[in-house]
Amino acid sequence: GEDVEQSLFLSVREGDSSVINCTYTDSSSTYLYWYKQEPGAGLQLLTYIFSNMDMKQDQRLTVLLNKKDKHLSLRIADTQTGDSAIYFCAESGGQSSNTGKLIFGQGTTLQVKP
Amino acid sequence: DTGVSQDPRHKITKRGQNVTFRCDPISEHNRLYWYRQTLGQGPEFLTYFQNEAQLEKSRLLSDRFSAERPKGSFSTLEIQRTEQGDSAMYLCASSLVGTAGGYTFGSGTRLTVV
Repeated sequence: GEDVEQSLFLSVREGDSSVINCTYTDSSSTYLYWYKQEPGAGLQLLTYIFSNMDMKQDQRLTVLLNKKDKHLSLRIADTQTGDSAIYFCAESGGQSSNTGKLIFGQGTTLQVKP
Repeated sequence: DTGVSQDPRHKITKRGQNVTFRCDPISEHNRLYWYRQTLGQGPEFLTYFQNEAQLEKSRLLSDRFSAERPKGSFSTLEIQRTEQGDSAMYLCASSLVGTAGGYTFGSGTRLTVV
């Protein structure tokens, strides 16, 4: 079945780069997403990548997609304390891509130390 | 447009009681999704609507759960005879079919069953 895995925790110093990794199982996924969740809040879409792309850059965010290995990463440049949050990777599986249903990973908690 | 609104933000109920949550999506969005998120986990799909039609329900949605979207605008999620295992954050999201940019999530309703 469809599954998304992420490492649970990442700690970096302010100003460093953060790299959050994700693996997924559904090779027919059309889109892959990164969401951010701050305490007590809903999820905020950060960025997404179409499955025929290898890389997407959006200001401080860089998404890399290795479709062969089913590996997705999110790099945050010049990480700030305001980036501290939980980051979720999500895929729109091939079978469910027409529904828009997303399969989420369990989230990576990013801690940014001053 | 103020985004996706959910009401209430928090609900504490006694086991066995019925609860109802409301979601108001972004007005031009024709798809509406319900997800459940437990502590330390990513959101899990429950059900979704396209306009007023409920097109898919997860097996997580037991017969104690019912969702409606009577006029294709707001939606309600009712849980009958609540159990402690129903304690979670219930997230609503909306999107426009045919767009790739993911969902807009509401801030969620946190349910605590005591």
